[in-house]
Amino acid sequence: GAGVSQTPSNKVTEKGKYVELRCDPISGHTALYWYRQSLGQGPEFLIYFQGTGAADDSGLPNDRFFAVRPEGSVSTLKIQRTERGDSAVYLCASTRGTGSHEQFFGPGTRLTVL
Amino acid sequence: AQRVTQPEKLLSVFKGAPVELKCNYSYSGSPELFWYVQYSRQRLQLLLRHISRESIKGFTADLNKGETSFHLKKPFAQEEDSAMYYCALSGVTGGGNKLTFGTGTQLKVEL
Repeated sequence: GAGVSQTPSNKVTEKGKYVELRCDPISGHTALYWYRQSLGQGPEFLIYFQGTGAADDSGLPNDRFFAVRPEGSVSTLKIQRTERGDSAVYLCASTRGTGSHEQFFGPGTRLTVL
Repeated sequence: AQRVTQPEKLLSVFKGAPVELKCNYSYSGSPELFWYVQYSRQRLQLLLRHISRESIKGFTADLNKGETSFHLKKPFAQEEDSAMYYCALSGVTGGGNKLTFGTGTQLKVEL
């Protein structure tokens, strides 16, 4: 089957604009994670969904960042009033469920804020 | 707080030489450790996890709780092993398992 997909693959925006990044997890995967990877760093946790609810959003850097997963499948990461420091690759991963399951990663969305 | 340290940004070895990618961690509970790999132009993927005790593509990693280490080893490097390697620690969160990653080590296998 298809793996995790993310759109767009690249997004260039201007400082102060609003952006939405989309993640399509593997079908049937109930758990979904968002990570952010800045240049030269490893991925950093942002938020975790189990089903439709955000079970842990402790990694969101501030209230400009928000994510939803209204039907327990596709998730959208929303960033308001973008700043240059938001430039990074945003990764999505999904797993079959809770517990120690392998996380399957998408290809990422490269966000550039000019 | 949980933390993963990979001291080497770049490791260059010759084909056929042994490889050891270092990883140290700090975690207050019982850790679950992973190695993820990213080949050129591919997505991040799981290489191995400590609870499986498997050898994947000739790589092994042993969890040493005394030294809080989870080094990745391979006796004979191959050209196709060239990639970015990330050590990661799993911490329980709201029933899930968020990963804390190290900064990664770029492995370059030279002919």
